[in-house]
Amino acid sequence: DTGVSQDPRHKITKRGQNVTFRCDPISEHNRLYWYRQTLGQGPEFLTYFQNEAQLEKSRLLSDRFSAERPKGSFSTLEIQRTEQGDSAMYLCASSPGPLGSGANVLTFGAGSRLTVL
Amino acid sequence: EDQVTQSPEALRLQEGESSSLNCSYTVSGLRGLFWYRQDPGKGPEFLFTLYSAGEEKEKERLKATLTKKESFLHITAPKPEDSATYLCAVQAEETSGSRLTFGEGTQLTVNP
Repeated sequence: DTGVSQDPRHKITKRGQNVTFRCDPISEHNRLYWYRQTLGQGPEFLTYFQNEAQLEKSRLLSDRFSAERPKGSFSTLEIQRTEQGDSAMYLCASSPGPLGSGANVLTFGAGSRLTVL
Repeated sequence: EDQVTQSPEALRLQEGESSSLNCSYTVSGLRGLFWYRQDPGKGPEFLFTLYSAGEEKEKERLKATLTKKESFLHITAPKPEDSATYLCAVQAEETSGSRLTFGEGTQLTVNP
């Protein structure tokens, strides 16, 4: 198991462009989370999936943000019409289901760093 | 609303100089308190989970403790490789899934 994988690791884009990030969780984990982290701050929760169902979204997730997890495997986070304020590290994490070993522990990926010019 | 406050924001130690990091939290009902380590440009790495007041956990030079209002991460005789940002997070009982609320972190630098 290679852990949680995120792609791309770095993305530089111009304001107004759309970007998409991909996350591959640990294979046996059925919960998947997206967080955003800006410099000097702790990660902030964006959204969470149980299998393919998106069960919770933060108010930080504006209409320009959309996340999917088709078939309950990998997930994508798309940001439309990017703004300079979207520049951040986007972190993906996964955890086992409620009955799994270490059920409450989130394992994070290395993150995707977005820079909006 | 769940809140986590970490202090100090930054800490510089000499190798071998022991110290403690503080995490104060407010949560309606605590399911768990988590400590993570984060190196520059990387995702957070899990260290400990504490579930109830009085609980302690140790790993190498690190020891985490929990009370009803705060947690401490004690670092004994630190080495330069312990330099990182240490993040504290809480998981509330009413939270769906295993969502964490993080503090802003303490940036630790250990000089040789």
